[in-house]
Amino acid sequence: GAVVSQHPSWVICKSGTSVKIECRSLDFQATTMFWYRQFPKQSLMLMATSNEGSKATYEQGVEKDKFLINHASLTLSTLTVTSAHPEDSSFYICSARPPTGIAEAFFGQGTRLTVV
Amino acid sequence: GENVEQHPSTLSVQEGDSAVIKCTYSDSASNYFPWYKQELGKRPQLIIDIRSNVGEKKDQRIAVTLNKTAKHFSLHITETQPEDSAVYFCAARLNTGTASKLTFGTGTRLQVTL
Repeated sequence: GAVVSQHPSWVICKSGTSVKIECRSLDFQATTMFWYRQFPKQSLMLMATSNEGSKATYEQGVEKDKFLINHASLTLSTLTVTSAHPEDSSFYICSARPPTGIAEAFFGQGTRLTVV
Repeated sequence: GENVEQHPSTLSVQEGDSAVIKCTYSDSASNYFPWYKQELGKRPQLIIDIRSNVGEKKDQRIAVTLNKTAKHFSLHITETQPEDSAVYFCAARLNTGTASKLTFGTGTRLQVTL
């Protein structure tokens, strides 16, 4: 199957700093990638849809100025958590689908963000 | 938008027994229904999926059934094993292209006991 790689796998940052998370499609081009947030023992909640070459589409209630998304190439989308606070601590996961008619969505390995 | 409900939230079965997890969806236009298994701290892994033109699909010990009229779909795991213990998520999507969004259910924590 297709491979989506996410980096870093985990990060600890101080409150008030920014953290960038990368999502790469390794063996296919992805015009669209999705960013999810998952709190402990909860479901995956879609934060935003990342569109190559254009602005991301954010879900209701997600602050676009706090969660900056950049999809500058067909294989890379980045999520930057700006001015992070402890309540932003969560598991962030990206996903993408190859443009070949495959229905399956492929997920990155996730990034565990801890803000102290 | 789409809303997916999932039950039960936790399920404990003895090894060898069957497990059934049920989901309902709200958008009758949704036509793709995957099931994911997620172990702690890991990415979700697709275990089976079904499209709306099919009523049932089976892969070894795992099967999924879909009732389009009632907007229900279910995951069936037979002969459960300890390694089946994980959190399972159902999802629904209108499969119109790579930009179409998945909506996830709330998850079921399955515990298979010896």
